[in-house]
Amino acid sequence: QKEVEQDPGPLSVPEGAIVSLNCTYSNSAFQYFMWYRQYSRKGPELLMYTYSSGNKEDGRFTAQVDKSSKYISLFIRDSQPSDSATYLCAMSAGGSYIPTFGRGTSLIVHP
Amino acid sequence: DAGVIQSPRHEVTEMGQEVTLRCKPISGHDYLFWYRQTMMRGLELLIYFNNNVPIDDSGMPEDRFSAKMPNASFSTLKIQPSEPRDSAVYFCASSFEGAGALGYTFGSGTRLTVV
Repeated sequence: QKEVEQDPGPLSVPEGAIVSLNCTYSNSAFQYFMWYRQYSRKGPELLMYTYSSGNKEDGRFTAQVDKSSKYISLFIRDSQPSDSATYLCAMSAGGSYIPTFGRGTSLIVHP
Repeated sequence: DAGVIQSPRHEVTEMGQEVTLRCKPISGHDYLFWYRQTMMRGLELLIYFNNNVPIDDSGMPEDRFSAKMPNASFSTLKIQPSEPRDSAVYFCASSFEGAGALGYTFGSGTRLTVV
């Protein structure tokens, strides 16, 4: 079992839909939970992060962490075609520098 | 700052040839990472440097791969000899002390095809 599991998709939704992207993990030491967005032919860029448990909201994006279930989610409200990209979750333990990445989920938002 | 700069953007080479990928990190960043991305395996860390010194190369798949960082503004990843299974997108990322995983900046990658 990989440390971080993420369904590669693709996930195809109509414009305006609520999108839910998820990752599960096995390492209880993970403290930082990150979401990266990667557009086609580009490198990943940090979208948002959460420390430990709880929710964090940034505009149309909400990140959730459930440490008891070892499950994290990224919700996108009112999805737009410009949100079409691959979304990678990443996690790191406190004091450990190197994040562990999921494989990424390809999201397609069609007009 | 122009961000992390990688060259070339695309490379097509024949099996057995030597391939050299280049990276210029963000000025002031003291960590540099080389990653490989494939559909099957996702993003894999190959090697990383701190202050130009290789810290962990356990992700380098085999002796055909080597990486150097002769100074703070330049790094290379070399594959010799190349094989078709090396076909992937190779990313360089840089970060700075204290930023942890939150400080990563990735380049746009080099798409390598070995035929």
